[in-house]
This record gives sequence, structure tokens and C-alpha cells, in this order.
Amino acid sequence: EDQVTQSPEALRLQEGESSSLNCSYTVSGLRGLFWYRQDPGKGPEFLFTLYSAGEEKEKERLKATLTKKESFLHITAPKPEDSATYLCAVWTGTASKLTFGTGTRLQVTL
Amino acid sequence: DAGVIQSPRHEVTEMGQEVTLRCKPISGHDYLFWYRQTMMRGLELLIYFNNNVPIDDSGMPEDRFSAKMPNASFSTLKIQPSEPRDSAVYFCASSFGGALSEAFFGQGTRLTVV
Repeated sequence: EDQVTQSPEALRLQEGESSSLNCSYTVSGLRGLFWYRQDPGKGPEFLFTLYSAGEEKEKERLKATLTKKESFLHITAPKPEDSATYLCAVWTGTASKLTFGTGTRLQVTL
Repeated sequence: DAGVIQSPRHEVTEMGQEVTLRCKPISGHDYLFWYRQTMMRGLELLIYFNNNVPIDDSGMPEDRFSAKMPNASFSTLKIQPSEPRDSAVYFCASSFGGALSEAFFGQGTRLTVV
């Protein structure tokens, strides 16, 4: 059975304090790994899709990396507006199945 | 474009009643997805369409759930009869070019079945 585990469940950072969120997965036939951001009361907002091990993508203060077993979302010098829940999801081609992790709630304080 | 539009934003219904959720995708997008989000199970993909044709409905929990996409600009998710365990936030999303492409989500419909 496909499994996606995100850690930590919650993370509190001070503004400017860089850190990383982890998404580990056990799936067969990975076709893509997604990162989304979700603010309270809103739908998820797409951040990145990673397709193969070794791939990296960046957007502003965020950088996503992918290995054969996990993905990291690195947040450099975060700001309060980066506070949100970050969701990881994997798409497996065998059954065209999308499996989400439970998310990491990030809070960035002044 | 106004983005993905879902209606209603909130729905409260009694157990056993039929519920219909509506979605208007972004114009020009050829993929449409329906998701459900709960505290217990997180975000789950229920069904997705490509060019108005259902591709995979393996995430639909029971036969009480059905989804249609009669044209490129409209889709519905129907629950009949509804049960309290169907209470959740239902999201619709659309994308262009593939299931792995950037998907844009609507604001969601919060369904409460009492």
C-alpha cells in the first residue's frame, strides 16, 4: 500500500530561521511528487511538481528536492506570511493514484 | 479568469437528503478533479476527468457518490443519500495538460450532514 509520511506535524520558527520539512514515501511507480501550501479556509495552492530523484525546484524562499525515498521542502529565511500547512502528495502511475500526506503546520513568528 | 468556482460554499443538510456540489473549472483546462478533506483522513482524491470523461473514480467511497461533467465548464458531485460521515470539505480543482500539471483549487464546499 502506498504511504506518504510528513514530518514534523507542526513547526514553529522565528522570522529568518531557516528549516526543512520532510516528506517520505513508500510507493510503487512514482510518477510525480507534489508540494502544496494550504491556508486556513482555502483550497491548496500548488507549489512544485518533482518527477525524478535528484531534481530540485525553487520559488522565492522555498526549495524542493527529491530522492528515491523522500522529498524536502527547504524554507530559507521564512517570513510570517509563509505560515501555512504544507502538503506533500505522490502520484503513482500504476493505478493513477494520488496519495496525500497529512501535512506540516508551519508557524513563523516575528 | 476568476479561478475555479465552487458552489455552494457551505451546505447543511439532513441525513438521507440528496446533496449536489457544483464546480466551474478554469476556462481552457482539460482536467478536473474532485477531492474531499477531513481531519481524520486528510485530503483524498475522489475522481478526475479528462476532456469531460471520467478517468479514475477509484477514490469514490461508495455508490452513494456520483460525479458528472456534462461539458467543459461544469461538473457536479452528488451524494444520495447523504450520511453524517460525509461531512467534510469538498474541493474541486482543474489543470491543463495533465494530471501532473499545476492544479488550481476552488475555495471548497463545507458540507455538514446532521
